[in-house]
Amino acid sequence: GQNIDQPTEMTATEGAIVQINCTYQTSGFNGLFWYQQHAGEAPTFLSYNVLDGLEEKGRFSSFLSRSKGYSYLLLKELQMKDSASYLCAVSDSNYQLIWGAGTKLIIKP
Amino acid sequence: NAGVTQTPKFQVLKTGQSMTLQCAQDMNHEYMSWYRQDPGMGLRLIHYSVGAGITDQGEVPNGYNVSRSTTEDFPLRLLSAAPSQTSVYFCASSYSNRDINTGELFFGEGSRLTVL
Repeated sequence: GQNIDQPTEMTATEGAIVQINCTYQTSGFNGLFWYQQHAGEAPTFLSYNVLDGLEEKGRFSSFLSRSKGYSYLLLKELQMKDSASYLCAVSDSNYQLIWGAGTKLIIKP
Repeated sequence: NAGVTQTPKFQVLKTGQSMTLQCAQDMNHEYMSWYRQDPGMGLRLIHYSVGAGITDQGEVPNGYNVSRSTTEDFPLRLLSAAPSQTSVYFCASSYSNRDINTGELFFGEGSRLTVL
């Protein structure tokens, strides 16, 4: 079966760095996405990786290793507004997204 | 620019009632989809469409119907509501689900449905 694993919850301190991991087992691979979802709101797109390596976008970076079925989202200089759930999703062989359950990130002052 | 518009935002139904969740997008997107989101679970695909007149089933289609008569609209119908359909429903669209260069899904604000 297809499976996306990510930690349920993480806590970090304002101004610090946090890494949210995602491992996947899917039938085919056409890219990995990270979305941010604030409580009670819709998910919004953060990043997309299809090749191995690091993609940097401001305070957020996303890394992919296709051979290991592994990705992480790195958030730097954490701000209180980064408190949200972070969703990992993989596009499978049919270009349909398989979603992880999300990681709830709690930022403490 | 409205993006993806979903209505209603909240709905309470009794078991056995039927209803339609509306979804409209103004971005000329080919791909539209409906997801449900339940606590502790990832988003699960209910139905999707890759263009007007074309629909297909996702992971959890039972109890739901869709149609795509225009590019803009993609309504989701609950035929006979059950408590197991209590969930948050999201409509999402993208230019094309094969456009892996962007692949970005644009989501509506969500519809919270409670079935008693």
